[in-house]
Amino acid sequence: GAGVSQSPSNKVTEKGKDVELRCDPISGHTALYWYRQRLGQGLEFLIYFQGNSAPDKSGLPSDRFSAERTGESVSTLTIQRTQQEDSAVYLCASSQSFTVFYTEAFFGQGTRLTVV
Amino acid sequence: DAKTTQPTSMDCAEGRAANLPCNHSTISGNEYVYWYRQIHSQGPQYIIHGLKNNETNEMASLIITEDRKSSTLILPHATLRDTAVYYCIVRVANTNAGKSTFGDGTTLTVKP
Repeated sequence: GAGVSQSPSNKVTEKGKDVELRCDPISGHTALYWYRQRLGQGLEFLIYFQGNSAPDKSGLPSDRFSAERTGESVSTLTIQRTQQEDSAVYLCASSQSFTVFYTEAFFGQGTRLTVV
Repeated sequence: DAKTTQPTSMDCAEGRAANLPCNHSTISGNEYVYWYRQIHSQGPQYIIHGLKNNETNEMASLIITEDRKSSTLILPHATLRDTAVYYCIVRVANTNAGKSTFGDGTTLTVKP
C-alpha cells in the first residue's frame, strides 16, 4: 500500500475485555514498531520486529501486552484484560531497516483505544 | 540514552523565528541529537539531526553548543502549520533508533 495502515482507527472497549489492533506496514519494510502515546505525553516504545528475527519486547509494560508479526507482513498488537490506564493512541511505524528509522520511518495514523 | 529536558510549551508569532531549546547535559561523545515533531495525533516527523556541528536543512537549523550539553532548533519563519509538539532525543547513530522513547516535548503554538 501507499503507507502504513492501522485498524481500527478508534476502539472503545469495556474494562477487562481483550482487544486486537492491526498494523499493515509498507510493503518491503522489514522493521516494524509499536508505540503507545497517552494523552499529552510522548511516544513510548513497546515492541520491535525485524524480519524473521525474534521480536524485541523490551518496551512492553506488562504481560497483558503481546504482539505478533508473520514475516514482513501484518502485525497485531493484543492487549488482554484491558485496564483504564491502557487508554491511549497506539501507533505503528515501519522502515526499510532500523538504521534508517530516523529519516525514513513511516507512521500509521494510530488506533485510539478508550477503555471504559 | 541520554535524558533530555525541554520546556513544556512556547508561543511564537507567525513569521518570526521559533527557537526551541533542549538540554542534554549527560550526552555522550557518540550520541547524536535528533529533532522530531508531531502534529495533532499524526506520527512523528523527522526534522533534523546533528553530532556537534550546526546543521541546516529546508525545514530548520540546529545549533549545538560547543560542550554539546544543549541545543536549539530554529524554525526561521514560523507558520501556523508549524504548531506541533517538538521532541528532542539523543541516540547513538546506527543503533535501533526506533526503540527511543520520546519525552513530553515542547508544544509550540504559532499565533497569527
